[in-house]
Amino acid sequence: KQEVTQIPAALSVPEGENLVLNCSFTDSAIYNLQWFRQDPGKGLTSLLLIQSSQREQTSGRLNASLDKSSGRSTLYIAASQPGDSATYLCAATGNQFYFGTGTSLTVIP
Amino acid sequence: DVKVTQSSRYLVKRTGEKVFLECVQDMDHENMFWYRQDPGLGLRLIYFSYDVKMKEKGDIPEGYSVSREKKERFSLILESASTNQTSMYLCASSLVVGASEFGSGTQLSVL
Repeated sequence: KQEVTQIPAALSVPEGENLVLNCSFTDSAIYNLQWFRQDPGKGLTSLLLIQSSQREQTSGRLNASLDKSSGRSTLYIAASQPGDSATYLCAATGNQFYFGTGTSLTVIP
Repeated sequence: DVKVTQSSRYLVKRTGEKVFLECVQDMDHENMFWYRQDPGLGLRLIYFSYDVKMKEKGDIPEGYSVSREKKERFSLILESASTNQTSMYLCASSLVVGASEFGSGTQLSVL
């Protein structure tokens, strides 16, 4: 069974810093790797999707990379802002979504 | 720009009640999913469906059933609600190998 791990579980940074969130998965036979954002008490918002044939995707200040061979993905956030504070989840997609337990990010003004 | 709609944002029910959670998507996606999310346990898959009238058990199907009579609608049913089913329930839909969209969630409290 696919297992997805996210490190660190929590992260606190001052505003303006660049940061990296890590996601690892055990089975490289995935369709996609997707990053989500979740605000407290809310649903999941899709941030970036990397298809299995791709290496990275970018949207604004966000950049996600995928290395299937090593079972790793990273989410890079440039010039962090207090509004980026949320929980970030990665999901490896096979016949279903396999989620990590998330990284709780706090950006301090 | 509504994509996945869950019928209730908050729901309070009594133990033993039959509970229906409704999910509708407007993107013509084949796949639909129901997850529950609990602190410290993350998202756990309850049921999913690849097509109309098809359903597959996820990791924690006990105490739940589902119905998918139309492609756009996937219902989660708690046959007899119990307090340990108090949770955030999230519905999602996706293309076969494409991006997924999640609903805004239903926070269910069973008293």
